[in-house]
Amino acid sequence: GAGVSQSPSNKVTEKGKDVELRCDPISGHTALYWYRQSLGQGLEFLIYFQGNSAPDKSGLPSDRFSAERTGGSVSTLTIQRTQQEDSAVYLCASSKSSGQETQYFGPGTRLLVL
Amino acid sequence: QKEVEQDPGPLSVPEGAIVSLNCTYSNSAFQYFMWYRQYSRKGPELLMYTYSSGNKEDGRFTAQVDKSSKYISLFIRDSQPSDSATYLCAMTPSYNTDKLIFGTGTRLQVFP
Repeated sequence: GAGVSQSPSNKVTEKGKDVELRCDPISGHTALYWYRQSLGQGLEFLIYFQGNSAPDKSGLPSDRFSAERTGGSVSTLTIQRTQQEDSAVYLCASSKSSGQETQYFGPGTRLLVL
Repeated sequence: QKEVEQDPGPLSVPEGAIVSLNCTYSNSAFQYFMWYRQYSRKGPELLMYTYSSGNKEDGRFTAQVDKSSKYISLFIRDSQPSDSATYLCAMTPSYNTDKLIFGTGTRLQVFP
């Protein structure tokens, strides 16, 4: 079946603009995760959803970052007033449920802030 | 200091070599340990999953966890050019198994 999909695959924006990144999880997966991968930093956890609720938002770096999930499916990560340090690959993952279930990753959105 | 440390490499080996990849960690609460493989411009995919200490083998891959030393390893036997990728270790404590804590990844190149 289809894996996790993310759009756009690449995004170039100007400093100060808002961006929205989209994630479509594997059908039937109730848990959804956002991570950020920066050069030399590895993957950093941002937020996770169980259904439409976000029990853990501890990784969001600032209040410019927000995320929502609707219908227990698609999720959007929004970055307001982008800064150059926001440039990174944003990865989404989903799993059958929360807890010790395998997280399946999408290909990521490469964000470049000029 | 990061919770999980991993040598970024690159590690370059000839085809057929045995590869050893390692991570160290500082949080003694970590109980679940994973290795992910990430090809260029792709998302990570789970290779191996281990709970607590011990060894686990799957084909050419062996994962080892030494909790007393806070040290985990991934061994690849008979390495192939198709193994060329970045290998990321990840781990979680038992009280928060949703938040994977990753190492920075080791880039491996296997040349023919």
